[in-house]
Amino acid sequence: DTGVSQNPRHKITKRGQNVTFRCDPISEHNRLYWYRQTLGQGPEFLTYFQNEAQLEKSRLLSDRFSAERPKGSFSTLEIQRTEQGDSAMYLCASSPNRGRGEAFFGQGTRLTVV
Amino acid sequence: DAKTTQPNSMESNEEEPVHLPCNHSTISGTDYIHWYRQLPSQGPEYVIHGLTSNVNNRMASLAIAEDRKSSTLILHRATLRDAAVYYCILSPPPQKLVFGQGTRLTINP
Repeated sequence: DTGVSQNPRHKITKRGQNVTFRCDPISEHNRLYWYRQTLGQGPEFLTYFQNEAQLEKSRLLSDRFSAERPKGSFSTLEIQRTEQGDSAMYLCASSPNRGRGEAFFGQGTRLTVV
Repeated sequence: DAKTTQPNSMESNEEEPVHLPCNHSTISGTDYIHWYRQLPSQGPEYVIHGLTSNVNNRMASLAIAEDRKSSTLILHRATLRDAAVYYCILSPPPQKLVFGQGTRLTINP
């Protein structure tokens, strides 16, 4: 098991373009989380899946953001009509269903909107 | 989400113990105390968690006050690789983790 995998690691896009990130969680982890982190700040919660169901979505997540987890395996996070303020590190984490909170994070996707 | 208070930064010397404090006076009975750390250019990494009793693992020890309103993460013998931002988080499982600003730990050689 190679841990949580995120692709791409870096993405540079022009303002107004759409981008999609992928997260492959640890096998058999039912829970999957997306976070956003800007420089000097702690990670901010975006959304959470239990299997394929999206159970919680932060108010920080505008309607330009959408996340999916088809079949309860990998997940994608799409940002439409990117803005410069979307520049950040996007982190994915997964945890097992029976755990008491231990989450495993990927190395993140760094998005730069120019 | 219950709030935690941590010092912005701390400094210690290599091979010495480090005690990282966290105050959480509004903790509820179902909240677990979690500690994560984030090394530069890495995603956060789980360190330890506990509910009421002190906990030990290969990375650290967690000392929880009797009233649970504060806790201390103890690194028994700091190395340069322990330099990171340490986050103290309260969460009733299986809820999401809500990160604060954390404590930036600097280790001097």
